[in-house]
Amino acid sequence: DIQMTQSPSTLSASVGDRVTITCRASQNINRWVAWYQQKPGRAPKLLIQKASNLESGVPSRFSGSGSGTEFTLTISSLQPDDFATYYCQQYNTYSWTFGQGTKVEIK
Amino acid sequence: EVQVLESGGGLVQPGGSLRLSCAVSGFTFSTSSMSWVRQAPGKGLEWVSVISGSGGSSYYADSVKGRFTISRDNSKNTMYLQMNTLRAEDTAIYYCAKFYYDFWSGFDFWGPGTQVTVSS
Repeated sequence: DIQMTQSPSTLSASVGDRVTITCRASQNINRWVAWYQQKPGRAPKLLIQKASNLESGVPSRFSGSGSGTEFTLTISSLQPDDFATYYCQQYNTYSWTFGQGTKVEIK
Repeated sequence: EVQVLESGGGLVQPGGSLRLSCAVSGFTFSTSSMSWVRQAPGKGLEWVSVISGSGGSSYYADSVKGRFTISRDNSKNTMYLQMNTLRAEDTAIYYCAKFYYDFWSGFDFWGPGTQVTVSS
């Protein structure tokens, strides 16, 4: 199975900071990556598909990039509503594995 | 409006069985691939199983293969997860999620989840 290694596991940042989360795949997955945001006690929310396609209604401060084995999620200017845990997910093969998650905390 | 709602969770002893249901509305269920994703307490997300719109194709994570069975009844807009030979490590919130397009896309709608606890 393809493994997704996400880093960092925790990130402390302030409102207005630029934040970058990285996800590395154990093999080439082209651009078949999605990113999710999850808040405590809530189901995940889809932010980005196919590495860089922003879902409707998601603020433009979120962006995704990458291809092959290295992917990034960037929040250009962190807002109070963005403090949450973020997960990457690959869907290149007949498995749909998630990264371990990155918790974005208030500094 | 899309709605997804899981049910059937609860407390079960190790070795026992449980059947989860996922009732949906607001989209064409019969042409939508669906999935089960779980989250153990304080842990990350783990995909469990997926099924195509027709029900003709399904896949399982290695951790549940041979113990769990996914199915669907398109006449009832409902998907199921039959869980047998449950273990303590199956304890988690189980989410039902809809694929955005087909198997090669993300999950665009999720239910609130149902808690499964395996304990004696």
